[in-house]
Amino acid sequence: DTGVSQDPRHKITKRGQNVTFRCDPISEHNRLYWYRQTLGQGPEFLTYFQNEAQLEKSRLLSDRFSAERPKGSFSTLEIQRTEQGDSAMYLCASSPPPYYNEQFFGPGTRLTVL
Amino acid sequence: AQTVTQSQPEMSVQEAETVTLSCTYDTSENNYYLFWYKQPPSRQMILVIRQEAYKQQNATENRFSVNFQKAAKSFSLKISDSQLGDTAMYFCAFQGAQKLVFGQGTRLTINP
Repeated sequence: DTGVSQDPRHKITKRGQNVTFRCDPISEHNRLYWYRQTLGQGPEFLTYFQNEAQLEKSRLLSDRFSAERPKGSFSTLEIQRTEQGDSAMYLCASSPPPYYNEQFFGPGTRLTVL
Repeated sequence: AQTVTQSQPEMSVQEAETVTLSCTYDTSENNYYLFWYKQPPSRQMILVIRQEAYKQQNATENRFSVNFQKAAKSFSLKISDSQLGDTAMYFCAFQGAQKLVFGQGTRLTINP
């Protein structure tokens, strides 16, 4: 059984560019979460999906951020007009029904905005 | 809103010693889960141990055990017979209905 995968693992971009990250959850995990982790800090919740429905978004998710999970399987997180403050590790996690009482994390995508 | 506090930014012990990491949390919910996650250097987050709030018995997983004090909102992790591979960041986390809320982390170093 493969774990949660994320692509790319590293992304370096210039300020003002758009970037998109992908997350593939563990199969049959119908909840998928995005978190952001800055250096030396704990992860912070961004948003989560149950199947294709986006059920909660953090206030951290500004209008430059958008997440989708169109078919209830993989998810994408897009950041438009990147800023240096967006530099962080973006973590994806998935969780199985029925209790959703454990989240399995992917390796993360490390974003560096120059 | 829930908050999780880890008051020990760094800890260091000798191999084979026992170490306890502290965590306190704040919530008005009655049903929730508490977790300790381990994040080794440049590696992904993995679950160490989970505690359901409705269970009075403290969770144990091999060398890892917790001391869950619900009334005090305290959730400490004890690592017995520590090993070099235990070196990592450790995060305490709270989950109510959906998302995880993490503490700031404790950097644990096991010295040979």
